[in-house]
Amino acid sequence: QKEVEQNSGPLSVPEGAIASLNCTYSDRGSQSFFWYRQYSGKSPELIMFIYSNGDKEDGRFTAQLNKASQYVSLLIRDSQPSDSATYLCAVNTGTASKLTFGTGTRLQVTL
Amino acid sequence: NAGVMQNPRHLVRRRGQEARLRCSPMKGHSHVYWYRQLPEEGLKFMVYLQKENIIDESGMPKERFSAEFPKEGPSILRIQQVVRGDSAAYFCASSPPGSSGQPQHFGDGTRLSIL
Repeated sequence: QKEVEQNSGPLSVPEGAIASLNCTYSDRGSQSFFWYRQYSGKSPELIMFIYSNGDKEDGRFTAQLNKASQYVSLLIRDSQPSDSATYLCAVNTGTASKLTFGTGTRLQVTL
Repeated sequence: NAGVMQNPRHLVRRRGQEARLRCSPMKGHSHVYWYRQLPEEGLKFMVYLQKENIIDESGMPKERFSAEFPKEGPSILRIQQVVRGDSAAYFCASSPPGSSGQPQHFGDGTRLSIL
């Protein structure tokens, strides 16, 4: 079982729709959760981070965390073509500072 | 530019040569991390350093790879006797001092190509 799992996609959504990206993790000791956006050939860009169960909203982005189900998600409202990218879920476990990444979900926002 | 600075952006080496990748963290950040991204694969942690100390090198290959973060100057990831399989994007990230779990911010990366 992979430590952090994401559906590779592509996930295709029409412009203006809500994109829902999901991530599961295996280590129950995980404490910090991050979403990064990576355009092709570019570096990862931090989008959201969440530490506590529940929802955290920032503009068009909402991160959702359910530690009991070991599940974290990212919602993107009013999706734009510029949101088309690969979204990486990353998890930090306990006292270790390193991030463990999923392989990413490729999002395509269509006109 | 207050972001994480990496250089060079692109590096070409022949098999058997040495590659040196540099990283200066964001202003105010004292923690540096190196990650490698192989083509069509996810980001893999390599090493975590603070000034003059290697904190976690659990992701570093046992041979040919080393890293340092001296008191003065950038962090260096050094790959000796490079092989074709070392071709990848190498990203440096930094985070502020404090507890683990702080968000990490990435530099633009160094694309290493081995001929």
